[in-house]
Amino acid sequence: DADVTQTPRNRITKTGKRIMLECSQTKGHDRMYWYRQDPGLGLRLIYYSFDVKDINKGEISDGYSVSRQAQAKFSLSLESAIPNQTALYFCATSDRGTDSNQPQHFGDGTRLSIL
Amino acid sequence: GDSVTQMEGPVTLSEEAFLTINCTYTATGYPSLFWYVQYPGEGLQLLLKATKADDKGSNKGFEATYRKETTSFHLEKGSVQVSDSAVYFCALSLPPGNTGKLIFGQGTTLQVKP
Repeated sequence: DADVTQTPRNRITKTGKRIMLECSQTKGHDRMYWYRQDPGLGLRLIYYSFDVKDINKGEISDGYSVSRQAQAKFSLSLESAIPNQTALYFCATSDRGTDSNQPQHFGDGTRLSIL
Repeated sequence: GDSVTQMEGPVTLSEEAFLTINCTYTATGYPSLFWYVQYPGEGLQLLLKATKADDKGSNKGFEATYRKETTSFHLEKGSVQVSDSAVYFCALSLPPGNTGKLIFGQGTTLQVKP
């Protein structure tokens, strides 16, 4: 089983719909992240969470919200989807650890298309 | 602001050719630097990292050296294989503290032909 699991893997929906993307992890990591990937732009950080009670905006949080339901679960919501939110979305986790630069571990992504 | 710039792709090579993918960065302070690889249909995986100037990260035949004087972290491999075909991302992580936030370059697609 994958350490970082994203559901769904693919989603097609219409403008104005509410959408939730879910992420769960079995790595026991405190930190979780949501990114979106667009061609030619790399990955951009939407939100991140250092523990259940610590949630922070990333560089492109407008139009998105998140919920950290438990240490292992971090969901991303689009309250009213718009076409320019069509992208590939990744969840990632990292350990706090003693190394100040722990690597991030990524899920396989959710491909979201908004018509 | 802080940023990472990679050479544009796609980069197309024949098997056993030498690979270089250029990466330069702009950052305040002293970042840690990473290369991630994304195989088709998968998420990103850490390939290698370097946390201070002159450090060399290496893994699976890939190498990159943290060059503070040129603010660069170029990825190299002496002999590529078809299985190395993927998208490669350069990224930096900023101090202070242990935030773990990453800033990514735009990615470079590598295609290796038999």
